[in-house]
Amino acid sequence: SQQGEEDPQALSIQEGENATMNCSYKTSINNLQWYRQNSGRGLVHLILIRSNEREKHSGRLRVTLDTSKKSSSLLITASRAADTASYFCATPTSGGNKLTFGGGTRVLVKP
Amino acid sequence: DTEVTQTPKHLVMGMTNKKSLKCEQHMGHRAMYWYKQKAKKPPELMFVYSYEKLSINESVPSRFSPECPNSSLLNLHLHALQPEDSALYLCASSQADLLALSYNEQFFGPGTRLTVL
Repeated sequence: SQQGEEDPQALSIQEGENATMNCSYKTSINNLQWYRQNSGRGLVHLILIRSNEREKHSGRLRVTLDTSKKSSSLLITASRAADTASYFCATPTSGGNKLTFGGGTRVLVKP
Repeated sequence: DTEVTQTPKHLVMGMTNKKSLKCEQHMGHRAMYWYKQKAKKPPELMFVYSYEKLSINESVPSRFSPECPNSSLLNLHLHALQPEDSALYLCASSQADLLALSYNEQFFGPGTRLTVL
């Protein structure tokens, strides 16, 4: 079973708009990670937020974490066509070395 | 070098063939992983090696056999696969701190697209 569930499953926006996706998880965590995957390729780590952090920024990315609601969000600001990809949240379990991925959000940024 | 490499990029094999997937990293990471990913699905963990020892096997069928010859290499030996095993196979690595049970972000290779006929 998936530790994280993401919504929406798919998102289509115009270039320049912001994209927001959400992730919910079930058990307690010490960190939550976000990854991007371009079509048919490997995943790229975007950002890691620890359980004692509420918000983190990296370039045009903003991640929030609410441990009381067991949820996280990823915001991509001023999107570009190159942001078209699938985005996955992931949480480590079983002592930390097992990473369980959410179902992913497929983002399409139209030029 | 912050790259994880995987060979081959594509592999087509029959159900009676034996083949191997290879993965290499030179980042000094002591945890390495195999994932299987079907189209439009998230990656599913298959195996974890920690300090060259198998630490997690997610009940993977024995027709998949992992091997970690040294801290930089990870292999996945394939034998008598089924068509439903066709998928993208991803290798990843990460730092591992056994004392703190801390595992950081994972670095993924580009994957091997496997087709079983």
